[in-house]
Amino acid sequence: DTAVSQTPKYLVTQMGNDKSIKCEQNLGHDTMYWYKQDSKKFLKIMFSYNNKELIINETVPNRFSPKSPDKAHLNLHINSLELGDSAVYFCASSQLAESSYEQYFGPGTRLTVT
Amino acid sequence: LAKTTQPISMDSYEGQEVNITCSHNNIATNDYITWYQQFPSQGPRFIIQGYKTKVTNEVASLFIPADRKSSTLSLPRVSLSDTAVYYCLVGDGGAGSYQLTFGKGTKLSVIP
Repeated sequence: DTAVSQTPKYLVTQMGNDKSIKCEQNLGHDTMYWYKQDSKKFLKIMFSYNNKELIINETVPNRFSPKSPDKAHLNLHINSLELGDSAVYFCASSQLAESSYEQYFGPGTRLTVT
Repeated sequence: LAKTTQPISMDSYEGQEVNITCSHNNIATNDYITWYQQFPSQGPRFIIQGYKTKVTNEVASLFIPADRKSSTLSLPRVSLSDTAVYYCLVGDGGAGSYQLTFGKGTKLSVIP
């Protein structure tokens, strides 16, 4: 029973392409997030989103956009991929009302842009 | 969000107790202290959270002195499977402050 799942696990694509990464959580949480972990292993928040509010880290290029079809899903769309987008992307969720610092992470999607 | 400082790496033998200390001199009154664990090729996993004194769960203990300017994560009798990166985070867990800021973490290597 996977709590937070992501697809695909690996994604290899060429520069300039548009791609999406899907995330689903079955925990009933009301807030979801996307993080990026670069080659130096620094983990940085990209977005946090619940049904009321989208908060975007100001350093995230507008080529990245989260899309939430429902409370259990938060997909990440990336347009015009660049070499520097290569990283591992993690989705996470939390129940904001209880403890927003207790987040549950997915297994990650390793994106390689060639 | 308060900045945290922790050792870049630590080594320990199997069976020993490991203590990882995190400094957070600018911690605010409403801030909580949270620790995460990350294994290679996996997402971070919540370990423990505390506000003051001592918190213990089935995985670890968290010691927080009265001034709250530091905290120590204690892992009892580590095994090889505890080899991971451990992150200390400090912040207000209330609404609107749920964007975690991860530092560089402490890479713990458990040696047989």
